[in-house]
Amino acid sequence: EVQMVESGGGLVEPGRSLRLSCTVSGFAFRNFDMTWFRQAPGKGLEWVGFIRSNPYGGTTEHAASVKGRFTISRDDSKSIAYLQMNSLKIEDTGMYYCARELATGAFDIWGQGTTVTVSS
Amino acid sequence: QSVLTQPPSASGTPGQRVTISCSGSSSNIGSNTVSWYQHLPGTAPKLLVYSNNQRPSGVPDRFSGSKSGTSASLAISGLQSEDEADYYCAAWDDSLNAYVFGTGTKVSVL
Repeated sequence: EVQMVESGGGLVEPGRSLRLSCTVSGFAFRNFDMTWFRQAPGKGLEWVGFIRSNPYGGTTEHAASVKGRFTISRDDSKSIAYLQMNSLKIEDTGMYYCARELATGAFDIWGQGTTVTVSS
Repeated sequence: QSVLTQPPSASGTPGQRVTISCSGSSSNIGSNTVSWYQHLPGTAPKLLVYSNNQRPSGVPDRFSGSKSGTSASLAISGLQSEDEADYYCAAWDDSLNAYVFGTGTKVSVL
């Protein structure tokens, strides 16, 4: 079964760090770019960033709102994508999703999400 | 911040046709393909349309997408109660170097 499962969310104080994981099964993780999205309470979907597959350099792109604070990485041997979140702000609160990117630029498989709450 | 504009809501009775518009610019819809997603908050978003008008396997043909210039639209024909959800258009933006979503449209079945 094709599956993507996010984990690592929780309650954290402003300025602290958190690392989210996206564990993949059912398809060849190493062949796909992996992307993170989020949704703040009462708001719409927001792109956080992505990491290219290693054959394409494994490079990353991040949204301006998180650049310099968040870092996406991947471990192809474990089929896991990570989102390292540093210097967290209250406005980073929300549900975080990972998704598989198709060559067409669309995202066809998503996880159920993990909740991050930044509060003192 | 969303750079693609959608109406905040749309509604119809069962069996009716509902159309959702998505307005962008030359740096996003005008130069890249559009995707559409169905989302119930707290659940995994679902890809409905990719490459402007292509449906993934398993998506009913009641859902259809189109694009013209810097605008796109999603049509839902034969509206059903299970279609109640939030719908988002999305595309890559060459100027922002980011994937951008629409403001979202909440579809209600009356």
